[in-house]
Amino acid sequence: ELKVEQNPLFLSMQEGKNYTIYCNYSTTSDRLYWYRQDPGKSLESLFVLLSNGAVKQEGRLMASLDTKARLSTLHITAAVHDLSATYFCADPNFGNEKLTFGTGTRLTIIP
Amino acid sequence: DVKVTQSSRYLVKRTGEKVFLECVQDMDHENMFWYRQDPGLGLRLIYFSYDVKMKEKGDIPEGYSVSREKKERFSLILESASTNQTSMYLCASGGTINTEAFFGQGTRLTVV
Repeated sequence: ELKVEQNPLFLSMQEGKNYTIYCNYSTTSDRLYWYRQDPGKSLESLFVLLSNGAVKQEGRLMASLDTKARLSTLHITAAVHDLSATYFCADPNFGNEKLTFGTGTRLTIIP
Repeated sequence: DVKVTQSSRYLVKRTGEKVFLECVQDMDHENMFWYRQDPGLGLRLIYFSYDVKMKEKGDIPEGYSVSREKKERFSLILESASTNQTSMYLCASGGTINTEAFFGQGTRLTVV
């Protein structure tokens, strides 16, 4: 069974702190995607990780992929309020692009 | 700029009605998808399509059908709407391998 598990499901953190969201997937995919969703809105693409060891950074967010461990991480550095959102990872399932999504991590940044 | 457009943001329908949700993309993508999103259940794939007139069932196809007569348009059909189909519906399109899927703005459907 295809499975993508994220943890934590909920994360409340103070501004200025660092934290990591974890995404474990069950397939042998060599790629993984991260998305952001604001309340009531649709999903916005954040990162496309295309190979083992891939690391991408955008502002205070950095994503990495370890295909051997079937693990991707999303690291938040010095959190600010506008990063509050729900973050999803998605496995494209052997390249057929039939995305299986993680459960999502609802991130709340507290001043 | 990449664009996936869903025909309605909000929709209210009665039980038993036939409901059409339309999705159009302007990126010439081969792949298109319909997901539904429910609190606590995440995003679940209903149907997807790799090409015109091609369709494949996702994880929860029961009660739904789809149509893809043109490459840019993918329609989701609720044959006889029921209250348990009240949900947020998200359309997405994706290109070749290594291209992520892009999402429409979502349709919040309420069946009363």
